[in-house]
Amino acid sequence: DTGVSQDPRHKITKRGQNVTFRCDPISEHNRLYWYRQTLGQGPEFLTYFQNEAQLEKSRLLSDRFSAERPKGSFSTLEIQRTEQGDSAMYLCASSLGFNAGSFGQPQHFGDGTRLSIL
Amino acid sequence: QKEVEQDPGPLSVPEGAIVSLNCTYSNSAFQYFMWYRQYSRKGPELLMYTYSSGNKEDGRFTAQVDKSSKYISLFIRDSQPSDSATYLCAMSAGGGGNKLTFGTGTQLKVEL
Repeated sequence: DTGVSQDPRHKITKRGQNVTFRCDPISEHNRLYWYRQTLGQGPEFLTYFQNEAQLEKSRLLSDRFSAERPKGSFSTLEIQRTEQGDSAMYLCASSLGFNAGSFGQPQHFGDGTRLSIL
Repeated sequence: QKEVEQDPGPLSVPEGAIVSLNCTYSNSAFQYFMWYRQYSRKGPELLMYTYSSGNKEDGRFTAQVDKSSKYISLFIRDSQPSDSATYLCAMSAGGGGNKLTFGTGTQLKVEL
């Protein structure tokens, strides 16, 4: 169990640029989640995958955001045309879930990608 | 009003003290309750996980859930400087996978 891995750890970009983050979950975990955390706040749910299927998206996930998990292993989160308000820590978590929609096991988080928009 | 309320602190205690951290919530559908610890510039680390009402103990940590009052607590006994971190409560209704709703986190400092 090597834990959830996220890359890069820190991304600095200019407003209007596109950015992509990668998450590698714990190997046997079939569920993968993305959250966003701003300073002084708890993480907020963005979206989650059961295997390769994206099953739920928060209304926080505007049309500039897209997430994929093409082979049910790693996932990418892309933000197009970044805005100042996108500056945050983007956290990935994974867990084991048996049936789509059921609770499953608790989530384990990576150390996040900190996005700074200039 | 937020679904989960948590006092942001900061909370400062002397080493060896018993620490009490609390969250209240409004969504009666929440059934699964977790506490995470988060150090600066790190991701949340799972400390405790409980289902429904009751107590759970793990080493120096005790989690309590009172669903009738919509109130959860985390107690830390014999607190250490290494416990200095932000403590996040998190909850899930169980449906829709297990997306978590977090409190804002309480910043704890344990002083020598």
